[in-house]
Amino acid sequence: DVKVTQSSRYLVKRTGEKVFLECVQDMDHENMFWYRQDPGLGLRLIYFSYDVKMKEKGDIPEGYSVSREKKERFSLILESASTNQTSMYLCASSFAPWYGYTFGSGTRLTVV
Amino acid sequence: AQSVTQLDSQVPVFEEAPVELRCNYSSSVSVYLFWYVQYPNQGLQLLLKYLSGSTLVKGINGFEAEFNKSQTSFHLRKPSVHISDTAEYFCAVTPGSSNTGKLIFGQGTTLQVKP
Repeated sequence: DVKVTQSSRYLVKRTGEKVFLECVQDMDHENMFWYRQDPGLGLRLIYFSYDVKMKEKGDIPEGYSVSREKKERFSLILESASTNQTSMYLCASSFAPWYGYTFGSGTRLTVV
Repeated sequence: AQSVTQLDSQVPVFEEAPVELRCNYSSSVSVYLFWYVQYPNQGLQLLLKYLSGSTLVKGINGFEAEFNKSQTSFHLRKPSVHISDTAEYFCAVTPGSSNTGKLIFGQGTTLQVKP
């Protein structure tokens, strides 16, 4: 089975800090995605990447950036964390539209 | 633009009763449809998907869904639920022509199974 690993389950950061969320997949998938999940809003796409060093903005990219230097790793960066970025962050990977996603376990980030 | 609407935010049901979680989508092109389940403090896992062919799709844990093109719906059903089915359920869609398979998700439906 494909595995998607998010480095932290829970994180607490201070306002203004630079925050890195890491995601690694072990099945050579080309496409990787970062979503945030908030109650009542479902999953909203922040950024996705369809190849190494290739990225596209999702629906809510403001305040975030991403990095994909290697195929297996996709990092989400909060340049200057704010309290409204407190959320559950989910990483996913896929290799074809018909495949759907494999998700990581999520990182619950609290910004204080 | 595509969108997905899950018509119920919460569905309470008693154990062993049948359940239907409703999902409608808007799209002018052919689509792939998915249902995912999220247990507390976990990521999402795939329940089932519709790609083409038979409109009735069977998934894991006894769930099934029916694709209705004329009503642009993809409702999820289970004839008899268990306590362990308590979770959040997400419907998602992507265009069949997509290169990346980027999914658009609904708002989620919380299924609460009571003893």
